[in-house]
Amino acid sequence: DTGVSQDPRHKITKRGQNVTFRCDPISEHNRLYWYRQTLGQGPEFLTYFQNEAQLEKSRLLSDRFSAERPKGSFSTLEIQRTEQGDSAMYLCASSLSLAGDPDTQYFGPGTRLTVL
Amino acid sequence: GNSVTQMEGPVTLSEEAFLTINCTYTATGYPSLFWYVQYPGEGLQLLLKATKADDKGSNKGFEATYRKETTSFHLEKGSVQVSDSAVYFCALCRGSGTYKYIFGTGTRLKVLA
Repeated sequence: DTGVSQDPRHKITKRGQNVTFRCDPISEHNRLYWYRQTLGQGPEFLTYFQNEAQLEKSRLLSDRFSAERPKGSFSTLEIQRTEQGDSAMYLCASSLSLAGDPDTQYFGPGTRLTVL
Repeated sequence: GNSVTQMEGPVTLSEEAFLTINCTYTATGYPSLFWYVQYPGEGLQLLLKATKADDKGSNKGFEATYRKETTSFHLEKGSVQVSDSAVYFCALCRGSGTYKYIFGTGTRLKVLA
């Protein structure tokens, strides 16, 4: 049973550089979510996809952030012109939407971003 | 708006002690409620969930009851073990067109042998 995977697990970059993260959801899951978690806090929602459609975006998602899920399978999250405040753990989750069942989200291990 | 409030940690207990971690929520409608656990160096794992009022979720000796009248979903375990040491997150999902989770800030539990 393959869970949600994320790549890379760690990324160190200099301020102003662009970074891209990848998430591979559980294969049959149609919803995919991105969250950001800073130290001592709970995850905060960034955006989610149903299949390839991006259905909701948080106000946290500034115009430097963009996410895609081109074929309804894996997703990428890109941060342009990184800032030190972007340093966080970026979590991906996936779920299978079934009528009458609340979505249970399964989380990946996260990508830890450090911006120097 | 929708929010989740958890008791602040860390919570330090001796092995076999009784555990309660408080969680209250604010939400419109009838959200689903979840407890997730994060062990050191690992990702978030679902611990238990409840989808409607008076539902009780349970797993690995942990329980939580969805109390709509007090808007609470407190996590309990009768006898904790050292291996339960982790950070516990309460979360809600409002559904009805929005499927994002709203998490509390987490409560760190440390169990001493």
